[in-house]
Amino acid sequence: EAQVTQNPRYLITVTGKKLTVTCSQNMNHEYMSWYRQDPGLGLRQIYYSMNVEVTDKGDVPEGYKVSRKEKRNFPLILESPSPNQTSLYFCASRREVTDTQYFGPGTRLTVL
Amino acid sequence: AQRVTQPEKLLSVFKGAPVELKCNYSYSGSPELFWYVQYSRQRLQLLMRHISRESIKGFTADLNKGETSFHLKKPFAQEEDSAMYYCALSGSGPGQNFVFGPGTRFSVLP
Repeated sequence: EAQVTQNPRYLITVTGKKLTVTCSQNMNHEYMSWYRQDPGLGLRQIYYSMNVEVTDKGDVPEGYKVSRKEKRNFPLILESPSPNQTSLYFCASRREVTDTQYFGPGTRLTVL
Repeated sequence: AQRVTQPEKLLSVFKGAPVELKCNYSYSGSPELFWYVQYSRQRLQLLMRHISRESIKGFTADLNKGETSFHLKKPFAQEEDSAMYYCALSGSGPGQNFVFGPGTRFSVLP
């Protein structure tokens, strides 16, 4: 089954404790993205990747890192999480730049 | 710069009423426009994209380049249409961002 998976689905952590949210897709898609969804603000793109080892900042990249060492994986790294990073995070992938995006199930992160 | 606006944060209609969810965009080139839907506690899923010109779940959307709009319409609302709706735009150049509008929370009242 073609899908985008994320782990963990729920995470509660404390300020400053490094964490990684994994994202994997099995569709051989070139493009992958991370979004955060906040009430009243919709979805905002954090980072995106056009291919292996090619990443670029989205609209709200501060406080986040990403890597794309393999085509299928695109982890999101919070080196020192802060409470303002409490949000619902979605990973997405697509085949080409103008193609349909497929979304993961979301990761609800709470930073205390 | 790419930008998508959805002027209504909240929209409620009665069952059977016509629906129009508004979306306007700004983009200097030829955009790809999408509508995504997010039902309660679920992931976003594609509802439609403008190039397919299909009617999905009774919804249609026409790209109006003159008005830079991509409004979503349905003649008769159903209760199962209640969801969050996002309009999105993708630029056609390499490395172009995929930009979402702020979303409209749409409710169908019985």
